[in-house]
Amino acid sequence: GEDVEQSLFLSVREGDSSVINCTYTDSSSTYLYWYKQEPGAGLQLLTYIFSNMDMKQDQRLTVLLNKKDKHLSLRIADTQTGDSAIYFCAESRVTGANNLFFGTGTRLTVIP
Amino acid sequence: DSGVTQTPKHLITATGQRVTLRCSPRSGDLSVYWYQQSLDQGLQFLIQYYNGEERAKGNILERFSAQQFPDLHSELNLSSLELGDSALYFCASSVVGLVGTGSNNEQFFGPGTRLTVL
Repeated sequence: GEDVEQSLFLSVREGDSSVINCTYTDSSSTYLYWYKQEPGAGLQLLTYIFSNMDMKQDQRLTVLLNKKDKHLSLRIADTQTGDSAIYFCAESRVTGANNLFFGTGTRLTVIP
Repeated sequence: DSGVTQTPKHLITATGQRVTLRCSPRSGDLSVYWYQQSLDQGLQFLIQYYNGEERAKGNILERFSAQQFPDLHSELNLSSLELGDSALYFCASSVVGLVGTGSNNEQFFGPGTRLTVL
């Protein structure tokens, strides 16, 4: 993606919390999204946050947004083996085309 | 299930050939987006259609074209295929046609078509 960065890999033990980080550079970002991609499958929208919010919680998922630092994170509480997948952050920008700009994806491996 | 359907699921073809990928958006969504996912390029936006008209173009090659029909389904045509075109092609749909400051552009993705060019 254009200047949306994520670390490539993360391993956690089952039951622990996972934190997946994302940084972006475009200050015109309005909404930011987290998608999950399981092997051989499409992208599943997990959650999103509007850029004027700092935090959003949805069951086991917590999204934190630091707009000043252009940093987004996704925390998964009580991580399960079924959470093993690739997680993409994506941003929607006011300027330019209407597509989403995706990060490189973080492969989360949950160790039983 | 996102409500977005794509056919076929897999496609194997030879270099130089032409293929057509098909997408049906979620009921009520007017925008269709095409993305290409490859190992070296990640997820790249190709093109967007809104209510039958091309709305935005991304990194789409001239050998590729798309259209959206009156029933809102879309087709992506890939011609003169090269080995490097092997990838997963995703279609996504959304309600939004033009992103504004208050528009949530959440996009719902289909399962993808895996294209293998031999």
